[in-house]
Amino acid sequence: AQSVTQLGSHVSVSEGALVLLRCNYSSSVPPYLFWYVQYPNQGLQLLLKYTSAATLVKGINGFEAEFKKSETSFHLTKPSAHMSDAAEYFCAVRYNFGNEKLTFGTGTRLTIIP
Amino acid sequence: ETGVTQSPTHLIKTRGQQVTLRCSSQSGHNTVSWYQQALGQGPQFIFQYYREEENGRGNFPPRFSGLQFPNYSSELNVNALELDDSALYLCASSRPTMGLAGGRVTGELFFGEGSRLTVL
Repeated sequence: AQSVTQLGSHVSVSEGALVLLRCNYSSSVPPYLFWYVQYPNQGLQLLLKYTSAATLVKGINGFEAEFKKSETSFHLTKPSAHMSDAAEYFCAVRYNFGNEKLTFGTGTRLTIIP
Repeated sequence: ETGVTQSPTHLIKTRGQQVTLRCSSQSGHNTVSWYQQALGQGPQFIFQYYREEENGRGNFPPRFSGLQFPNYSSELNVNALELDDSALYLCASSRPTMGLAGGRVTGELFFGEGSRLTVL
């Protein structure tokens, strides 16, 4: 079955430090990959997506992710963490191109240390 | 343009009852998806509606059903509620486009803020 795995349910970084959130996928066909952010008591907001174009994808709020087929990874990074980045982050994959079904990882809660 | 709106935002039901959750899609979007997000988990796909017909279903029992109306708004109905149905229910709308080969190409999903259901 197709799936995504997010390594680390909780990640803490200091303000101004590098943010690295890990995501690995399993797939026998090229997937579409997404990162979403969820702030407390809110829905999901799309940060960025990979749809088989450029392997380095830039998103909102200074985030970017690189698709690495050889490693089946799509890790999310941000050079300098800001207090407002504290949230839950979800990696998601889409395989069935007949509908918009997304398969989500279990999420990574990012805490920013002042 | 208006975003995705869901109602109610919070509700409490008892085991065995039935619940209806509502979703108004973003202007111009003809596809609605429903997801269940249990506490501490990622969202799980329940089903999707496109042009008023179910277009894909996740691993949920038949007591989870839905509707899409001509104005593209949608309802999620859950019968015979169980304790494990307690979760945040997210609605997302999108507007797929036609690809070069004629197939549907997914549009970006826009999520509402969810309806939090507690089953006692």
